[in-house]
Amino acid sequence: GEDVEQSLFLSVREGDSSVINCTYTDSSSTYLYWYKQEPGAGLQLLTYIFSNMDMKQDQRLTVLLNKKDKHLSLRIADTQTGDSAIYFCAEGDNNNDMRFGAGTRLTVKP
Amino acid sequence: DAGITQSPRHKVTETGTPVTLRCHQTENHRYMYWYRQDPGHGLRLIHYSYGVKDTDKGEVSDGYSVSRSKTEDFLLTLESATSSQTSVYFCAINPSVNTGELFFGEGSRLTVL
Repeated sequence: GEDVEQSLFLSVREGDSSVINCTYTDSSSTYLYWYKQEPGAGLQLLTYIFSNMDMKQDQRLTVLLNKKDKHLSLRIADTQTGDSAIYFCAEGDNNNDMRFGAGTRLTVKP
Repeated sequence: DAGITQSPRHKVTETGTPVTLRCHQTENHRYMYWYRQDPGHGLRLIHYSYGVKDTDKGEVSDGYSVSRSKTEDFLLTLESATSSQTSVYFCAINPSVNTGELFFGEGSRLTVL
């Protein structure tokens, strides 16, 4: 996980936007992923972006990729209490070489 | 639901004992993985399999072995458990080698005393 870095905690108020940031080191990564983990559960894929894209939007989720700076972000609009979870950034060319960040714990306050 | 079940879900054992964790899938996917999750480290790959009897090591394979005698089952064995192997273990499958997305099981929490 050392090659992918994320801040460990983020706290927002319900209804605000959340932005979770990630930096990675492998410029040859083909895909970058965001996974969500709820308590006591496995990771669930939220979205992914191909490395030749700058942005991907999927309902309340917006992924931004700055390939030059190797920076990936996940924006959650209108954050709800159900969005409270740990969010993992991951990069990889194929699954045998996928690298995960340590995860950002998002807390949504009512 | 990706059809992945892990067993046992929780286990407490003593140092030096053997432990086997089982991952079972119902969808005949070729690629299966074992990860461990530890605070501050995210997920780290232990071993993976790309078919029956075809396995390879991941980043943190020392102290672990795997076997895959059937497509649907991928076993992770700790021959002699140590306290450093206390962790949550996740099995994953890859249904699409093109996009690389993984589907994870619910996890197996192992405590080695």
